[in-house]
Amino acid sequence: DIQMTQSPSSLSASVGDRVIITCRASQTINSELHWYQQKAGLAPSLLIFDTYSLQSGVPARFSGSGSGTDFSLTISSLQPEDFATYYCQQTYSTPQTFGQGTKVEMK
Amino acid sequence: QVQLVQSGAEVKKPGSSVKVSCNDSGGTFNYYTFNWVRQAPGQGLEWMGRITPILDTANYAQKFRGRLTITADKSTATVHMEMRSLKSEDTAVYFCARDIGVSTTYYVYWGQGTLVTVSS
Repeated sequence: DIQMTQSPSSLSASVGDRVIITCRASQTINSELHWYQQKAGLAPSLLIFDTYSLQSGVPARFSGSGSGTDFSLTISSLQPEDFATYYCQQTYSTPQTFGQGTKVEMK
Repeated sequence: QVQLVQSGAEVKKPGSSVKVSCNDSGGTFNYYTFNWVRQAPGQGLEWMGRITPILDTANYAQKFRGRLTITADKSTATVHMEMRSLKSEDTAVYFCARDIGVSTTYYVYWGQGTLVTVSS
């Protein structure tokens, strides 16, 4: 199974901050890396698919980058509605696997 | 508007079975891949398995093989997830999620989640 390791596990930030979350795969996954946001009590929602592509309706302050085994999610200017938990996911091979999550909290 | 609507919360005894359903309100049901993902309390997301109705074949994570069955009912556009021999560690919210068809593997649509509580 491909292991996905996110860092940090949690972070504290303020509105307007630039936030970067990284995700490392235990082997190459091409570009089949996706990012989800989950708010308490709700299902996850897709932010970025295939490493770079912004899902329809997602604000442009979210962006994704990376290749091979190392990927990142950037929030350029954190907004109040962005305080949530973020997960990366690889769908390159079965079983599809998720990172352990990064909780973004208000400083 | 596409909606995945799941069945309601369940409380089960250890050793019993549970069946959770997921109805897809929009699109070409047969050609999507439906995944089941669970989330234990306070924990992360865990992929369990998937099915593409037109292929009628399910794939399962090794951890669940033998006690998980995923099926698709094309007549009602509903996917079912049945887990047997439940343990307390199976207490979780179970989500169905699907892609948007050919060459897509990411989950665009999610059900609202179904809480399954396993307790004696």
